[in-house]
Amino acid sequence: NAGVMQNPRHLVRRRGQEARLRCSPMKGHSHVYWYRQLPEEGLKFMVYLQKENIIDESGMPKERFSAEFPKEGPSILRIQQVVRGDSAAYFCASSPLRTVQETQYFGPGTRLLVL
Amino acid sequence: QKEVEQDPGPLSVPEGAIVSLNCTYSNSAFQYFMWYRQYSRKGPELLMYTYSSGNKEDGRFTAQVDKSSKYISLFIRDSQPSDSATYLCAMSESSNFGNEKLTFGTGTRLTIIP
Repeated sequence: NAGVMQNPRHLVRRRGQEARLRCSPMKGHSHVYWYRQLPEEGLKFMVYLQKENIIDESGMPKERFSAEFPKEGPSILRIQQVVRGDSAAYFCASSPLRTVQETQYFGPGTRLLVL
Repeated sequence: QKEVEQDPGPLSVPEGAIVSLNCTYSNSAFQYFMWYRQYSRKGPELLMYTYSSGNKEDGRFTAQVDKSSKYISLFIRDSQPSDSATYLCAMSESSNFGNEKLTFGTGTRLTIIP
């Protein structure tokens, strides 16, 4: 059973470009969470999605950031017009059941560098 | 004030020592408490979780939760060089209708010296 998969693992963008990060949850998992980890900081929650639904986006910046989890295919975190402050590691986690809160499994992360 | 406070370390101890890692929190609604281990350039790996107050043991690891003090701990016995990593505490509120987001501490960087 493959774990949570994220790609790309490393992404370099110039200021103003778009960054698109992908996450494939573990098999059988229908809940996806995105977190951001800035240097020397802990992980910060961004958004929680189920298939075709955004459940909680309280941690998402109001502008330039969006997330989706379509019926088919991976979850996508999109950052438009990136700025240097967006440079961070972005982690995706998945879980099988909404109420089993202890079982969020994390992917290896995508490290975004904005030049 | 941060919702979850964790001493970032770094913490260095000799192999075989007992390690104590701690977090404090301010949100009384937190019900689930987790410890994750993160190796350099990797994703967090779930170590242990507990619900409400009490102790939980798993091999060399023991997790403690004291809700009255809003304080959680992770103890590592007979520490090994392979335990060298960053340890993150995480918490979430209990809810049947969502809000399963995890709130993390900043992580404690641990090095076990052979």
